[in-house]
Amino acid sequence: AQSVAQPEDQVNVAEGNPLTVKCTYSVSGNPYLFWYVQYPNRGLQFLLKYITGDNLVKGSYGFEAEFNKSQTSFHLKKPSALVSDSALYFCAVRDLLNTGGFKTIFGAGTRLFVKA
Amino acid sequence: DTEVTQTPKHLVMGMTNKKSLKCEQHMGHRAMYWYKQKAKKPPELMFVYSYEKLSINESVPSRFSPECPNSSLLNLHLHALQPEDSALYLCASSQVSGGATDTQYFGPGTRLTVL
Repeated sequence: AQSVAQPEDQVNVAEGNPLTVKCTYSVSGNPYLFWYVQYPNRGLQFLLKYITGDNLVKGSYGFEAEFNKSQTSFHLKKPSALVSDSALYFCAVRDLLNTGGFKTIFGAGTRLFVKA
Repeated sequence: DTEVTQTPKHLVMGMTNKKSLKCEQHMGHRAMYWYKQKAKKPPELMFVYSYEKLSINESVPSRFSPECPNSSLLNLHLHALQPEDSALYLCASSQVSGGATDTQYFGPGTRLTVL
């Protein structure tokens, strides 16, 4: 079965510093990987996805993620963190079903705190 | 427009009440989803509708009853809920159900409290 792991419950970074939120995956077949962000009491907002092609994926709000097949990782990055980036971040992978549909498997989430 | 709307934003109900959650999207998406999310946990899939037909039910108790009246609307009917059902209920949509690369767009959620 497909799965993703987010090894850090929480990441702390100072404003202006680069940030990385880690994600590793385990899939059979092609990995379809996603990052979502969730602000308090809000729904999930799509940031970016990797389907195929360039290993560096650029997304919303200045975020990017690097797909690394040999390390089975899909880490989320931003060159310069903002206080407003403080939120809960979910990595996700698509699990293709025999019926032709799919399910989205979410990681446990990583809480990002950006300190001014 | 990539907006999914949900009403109400907050709902408090007793264990004997009947209530409904509503979700709407006008992106022309043909797949719609209900998720349940407990605090500080990832969303858990409940139901998937594909072309207005129920395609996935993740063994959800019958006190939750989904309905898809048309391609833009998704309802979740609630009856005889338990306090442990208190959670954030998220609706999402994507272009097609079988499109594994399609992006899912989420609504802001309904915060449900069962007393």
